Amino acid sequence: EVQILESGGGLVQPGGSLRLSCVASGFSFSSYWMHWVRQAPGKGLVWVSRIKNDGRVTTYADAVRGRFTVSRDNAKNSLYLQMNSLRAEDTAVYYCGAGDTWTDYWGQGTLVTVSS
Amino acid sequence: EIVMTQSPATLSVSPGERATLSCRASQSISNNVAWYQQKPGQAPRLLIYGASTRAAGIPARFSGSGSGTEFTLTITSLQSDDFTLFYCQQYSIWPWTFGQGTKVEI
Repeated sequence: EVQILESGGGLVQPGGSLRLSCVASGFSFSSYWMHWVRQAPGKGLVWVSRIKNDGRVTTYADAVRGRFTVSRDNAKNSLYLQMNSLRAEDTAVYYCGAGDTWTDYWGQGTLVTVSS
Repeated sequence: EIVMTQSPATLSVSPGERATLSCRASQSISNNVAWYQQKPGQAPRLLIYGASTRAAGIPARFSGSGSGTEFTLTITSLQSDDFTLFYCQQYSIWPWTFGQGTKVEI
């Protein structure tokens, strides 16, 4: 059974940092591109970042480029998102997903709230 | 970036009827479209990829069609479990982008 579990969300002040983690099981993690997708309260889905299966290629949405860093550890079946200089508009549920183009598997998400 | 426009925003149908959801891309994206279902408080679930290929375990009442800029998700014989949100997504050009969603309601 495929399982993806995100963690690390919480309440942070504007300008602060958080590190999200995602642990996967039930599929060949090291074979998949991995993604972070976010959803602001009551809003739609927005791609944040992706990382190639070997970790050598990363891409970011314009809204987070220079502030967020995606990484992975295939030995631990884990994906990470380091988020710095957080803004109120980064408030969202952050989902971890697996898939080279479409997303085959999704985690349940972790809520990040940026507020003073 | 490519803008995906879904219509209608809300679709009112009755159980057992057919629902037709549309998605238009701002430029041609071949058949690089996926459809997802999202229930309240849950993660999205992949329904369709390649515009028309059902994902594993997806019932045959879900079907997708289209290419270029116009895409359709059809749900035949709607069941109570189908009254929720649906999103289209393009994966032709990064950044991947989603439509704003169509809510299917009774």
